[in-house]
Amino acid sequence: AQSVTQLDSHVSVSEGTPVLLRCNYSSSYSPSLFWYVQHPNKGLQLLLKYTSAATLVKGINGFEAEFKKSETSFHLTKPSAHMSDAAEYFCVVRPSGYSSASKIIFGSGTRLSIRP
Amino acid sequence: EAEVAQSPRYKITEKSQAVAFWCDPISGHATLYWYRQILGQGPELLVQFQDESVVDDSQLPKDRFSAERLKGVDSTLKIQPAELGDSAMYLCASSLRETAGYEQYFGPGTRLTVT
Repeated sequence: AQSVTQLDSHVSVSEGTPVLLRCNYSSSYSPSLFWYVQHPNKGLQLLLKYTSAATLVKGINGFEAEFKKSETSFHLTKPSAHMSDAAEYFCVVRPSGYSSASKIIFGSGTRLSIRP
Repeated sequence: EAEVAQSPRYKITEKSQAVAFWCDPISGHATLYWYRQILGQGPELLVQFQDESVVDDSQLPKDRFSAERLKGVDSTLKIQPAELGDSAMYLCASSLRETAGYEQYFGPGTRLTVT
């Protein structure tokens, strides 16, 4: 069985400071991992994805994430927060291959707030 | 840039009524997904289509929900009868293939309020 846990429901940082959104996963199969962002009244947008290539993945808007198999983690980071980064972020796990046991699973989300 | 289209964007209905949502995926995308997102939670997969076939509907409450993708292009999700607990955002997504590494593209969603 697979699962994904976003360790913080809400993160607040000051503009210009680093961002860290934490995600841990559990998967019986080699997973693909994704981070999506959801701005208010907008659709979900892909930030980045890991699909068994390089473990450090760079995404849009300066975000990156590192796949750490030993820690079963896929934390999202950004060196310097911008006001426009305020949104809800979702970590998503999907095991490779497909069967009834390999569903797409979304985390519960982390709301990122940026203080001026 | 191609987008996933959904309609309506907002729907208010009374409990016990029927309601339907429509989704038009990005052209050429074989895989289509319907999700339900309750306020404050992550999206939950309701049903997944590969072309016109359902490949996963294990989380779909089949006593009241139905979904179809008759020609393997656009899709309709129906609820009959609607219940208060169905109030949520219903998201449609599509991807080129169903293989794990392929990105899903999401539509803007339909916000359903059941009164």
